This record gives sequence, C-alpha cells and structure tokens, in this order.
Amino acid sequence: DIQMTQSPSSLSASVGDRVTITCRASQSISSYLNWYQQKPGKAPKLLIYAASSLQSGVPSRFSGSGSGTDFTLTISSLQPEDFATYYCQQSYSTPDTFGPGTKVDIK
Amino acid sequence: QVQLQESGPGLVKPSETLSLTCTVSGGSVSSGSYYWSWIRQPPGKGLEWIGYIYYSGSTNYNPSLKSRVTISVDTSKNQFSLKLSSVTAPDTAVYYCARDNSGYGYWGQGTLVTVSS
Repeated sequence: DIQMTQSPSSLSASVGDRVTITCRASQSISSYLNWYQQKPGKAPKLLIYAASSLQSGVPSRFSGSGSGTDFTLTISSLQPEDFATYYCQQSYSTPDTFGPGTKVDIK
Repeated sequence: QVQLQESGPGLVKPSETLSLTCTVSGGSVSSGSYYWSWIRQPPGKGLEWIGYIYYSGSTNYNPSLKSRVTISVDTSKNQFSLKLSSVTAPDTAVYYCARDNSGYGYWGQGTLVTVSS
C-alpha cells in the first residue's frame, strides 16, 4: 500500500492568514492526489483533484500543487468557514489511501 | 444533482454481518465511468477505503478487509450495498458511500455503525 503522511498534524491560524499543508506519498503517485475538507459530523468535501484542479464550486482561495511524492494545499486567506480537518488521498493505485489529516483551528 | 444516502442497522453484534445500502438519486449506478465506493471512519480517527464497484460491475476491495467484504449493486433500485462479515469492535465506524470520478466528489451523509453485544 502507498502510505500518505501530512504535516503538520494540527495548526492554529487567524482569519486572513495564508496556510500551507504538506502531504507526502511513500512512492511516486504522479498527480493522482486529491484534497478534502471535513467538518465535525459531516462527510468530507472534495476541494482539489489531480493535485491542482479546483473542484467546481470551491473558492479560489484554495489551491494545490505538487507531483511525484510531495504535494501542498494552500489557503491564501483563511476564512472562518475554513476551520476544519484536511485530508489528502492518493488514487494512483488501490487501495486508495488517505493521509492522517491536518486540523486547522482558530488561533 | 447526484445524492447518496446510506441506510442500515446502527448496531451489529460481534461475529455477525454488517449490511448497508446506498441509494443513489440524480444519477444511475449503471451508467458513466464511475466507481461506487465505501469508505469508513472510526470515531475520532482517519478515513479508510473499503472498496468499490465499478459501473460495469467489477469490484476491488482493500486487501486488509478483502476476506470479509462484498460490494454489490442492484440496478433496478439504483442502489449499491456493503456486507462486512465477522465484525468486531474495531469495525465500529461511520460508514460513507461515495462516488469516485477524479476524486470522491459525492458522498452520503454517513451512518454510524456500532459493533457491540
């Protein structure tokens, strides 16, 4: 299985901050990397697919980059509704695997 | 707009079989190049992919669960289902159904299944 790691595991930030979350795969996954946002009690929501493509309806303050083994999710200006847990997921090979998550909370 | 809805018992006894159904509306389980998937999340923990059934009917399961999992589809009801046999306490989780096509773009709201006697 391809192992996914994320850093940091949690972070505290203020509204308006630029936030970057890193995801690393245990082997090259090309650009088969997706990002999700999950709020308590809710299903995950797809933000970014194929490493850098913005899902329809997702605000443009979210962006993704990377290829191979190293990827980043950036929130350019954190909004109150962005406080949540973020997961990366590889779809290069089954079993699909998810990172352990990064919790973004209010500073 | 595609919508998915999980249904099934919220409590299952150890050693029994967990059975869940996902009803799809706004789209057909038998058309399009979609993977109809099950994903679970133990309380307070991360996400684990269980497996999928492709629109063609082929399946793929997580090797860690493969011996206990069956995913099937009922095109007449526009549903797909999950069966997980011989459950134990670690199988307690919120179970989600989801549709995959360049990422899991559509999810059900999730259903908590507790394994307890």
